[in-house]
Amino acid sequence: GENVEQHPSTLSVQEGDSAVIKCTYSDSASNYFPWYKQELGKRPQLIIDIRSNVGEKKDQRIAVTLNKTAKHFSLHITETQPEDSAVYFCAARTGGSYIPTFGRGTSLIVHP
Amino acid sequence: NAGVTQNPKFQVLKTGQSMTLQCAQDMNHNSMYWYRQDPGMGLRLIYYSASEGTTDKGEVPNGYNVSRLNKREFSLRLESAAPSQTSVYFCASSEQGPDTQYFGPGTRLTVL
Repeated sequence: GENVEQHPSTLSVQEGDSAVIKCTYSDSASNYFPWYKQELGKRPQLIIDIRSNVGEKKDQRIAVTLNKTAKHFSLHITETQPEDSAVYFCAARTGGSYIPTFGRGTSLIVHP
Repeated sequence: NAGVTQNPKFQVLKTGQSMTLQCAQDMNHNSMYWYRQDPGMGLRLIYYSASEGTTDKGEVPNGYNVSRLNKREFSLRLESAAPSQTSVYFCASSEQGPDTQYFGPGTRLTVL
């Protein structure tokens, strides 16, 4: 089955810096890659996703890039703010499968 | 719209007791999921229901059963709770398949 590795497990940045979280996947047939944000004590919420037919997607301060050849995708957050502090999860899904595979999460801490 | 709701929010059980976690969605979604979240382990899929009338095992189904009662409701049952089932349980739904999942607020379960 699919295996998703997420790094780093913890990321500490100063307000205004950029943050990058990287995930690698094993199944070359995976074609959908969402990113979820989970604030402390809250539910995970989708913040951005990308499909295998595009290489990059942006939404204001966040962007996701996909490298199908290397089988990795990354979340980029620019101009970080304290409210960006949360755990971020990546996931991968193989076409036709109902089972998404999640990474273990990255705890992002943004210091004011 | 309430989105995805779960009951109860908190529960403490003794080893061997049984209970049912309730989940409902009002978004007319076809697919529903049950996950457990443990520290450092990300989200692991227990069971899912691709559509009304169907259920399938996920990554960690042992010790659990599910019922897709109707299109709105998907319940998770622990027949004989064990301390290893102490976790936070999230229900999720999606229009079709695991794209863009909407999560409920979670149930924090402790088994003594």
